[in-house]
Amino acid sequence: NAGVTQTPKFQVLKTGQSMTLQCAQDMNHNSMYWYRQDPGMGLRLIYYSASEGTTDKGEVPNGYNVSRLNKREFSLRLESAAPSQTSVYFCASSEGPGLAGTRQYFGPGTRLTVT
Amino acid sequence: QKEVEQDPGPLSVPEGAIVSLNCTYSNSAFQYFMWYRQYSRKGPELLMYTYSSGNKEDGRFTAQVDKSSKYISLFIRDSQPSDSATYLCAMGYSSASKIIFGSGTRLSIRP
Repeated sequence: NAGVTQTPKFQVLKTGQSMTLQCAQDMNHNSMYWYRQDPGMGLRLIYYSASEGTTDKGEVPNGYNVSRLNKREFSLRLESAAPSQTSVYFCASSEGPGLAGTRQYFGPGTRLTVT
Repeated sequence: QKEVEQDPGPLSVPEGAIVSLNCTYSNSAFQYFMWYRQYSRKGPELLMYTYSSGNKEDGRFTAQVDKSSKYISLFIRDSQPSDSATYLCAMGYSSASKIIFGSGTRLSIRP
């Protein structure tokens, strides 16, 4: 039981390049999330998917797109990377559709640097 | 002003000490209060979860919520080197609302 897995672990991009961060969970959870973590800023929600087939914007969605491919997988795409998107990205999942009301399980993170 | 304020530390205490970690918040509508622990280069994991006010105890960990003062605390008794991590507080308005995280406090327990 791997929990939440993320690929890649590290990535360096040049400004303007695109990439997709992959996330998968094997806990049969309904809801999945993408956060970014920056020094002094805590975790901020980018997008979330309350259930398969639905996605919603979080606190900082600009510059990102997401796809809930199926119940297991939720990907985050940067279409044209900018230095301000340098961050550590965490994927999370939870059984229930709530956010504050349910326990979230986090992946190990992707460290992204945009030069 | 941030909705949730947390002292970044670092906080360094000797093994066996009682640790107190705190967060203040500005919005009285918060009802759900959480503490996450994050080891270096790992994802956060939920440590404690409290709905509304009061205390909750789990082993060496106690979470307290004081809604009148808009202040939450996490106490760690008999601290161990394995407790060395960053602790993030988090809050939500309702079960369906997004979670607001504090910036985290780095804690180091000296053997």
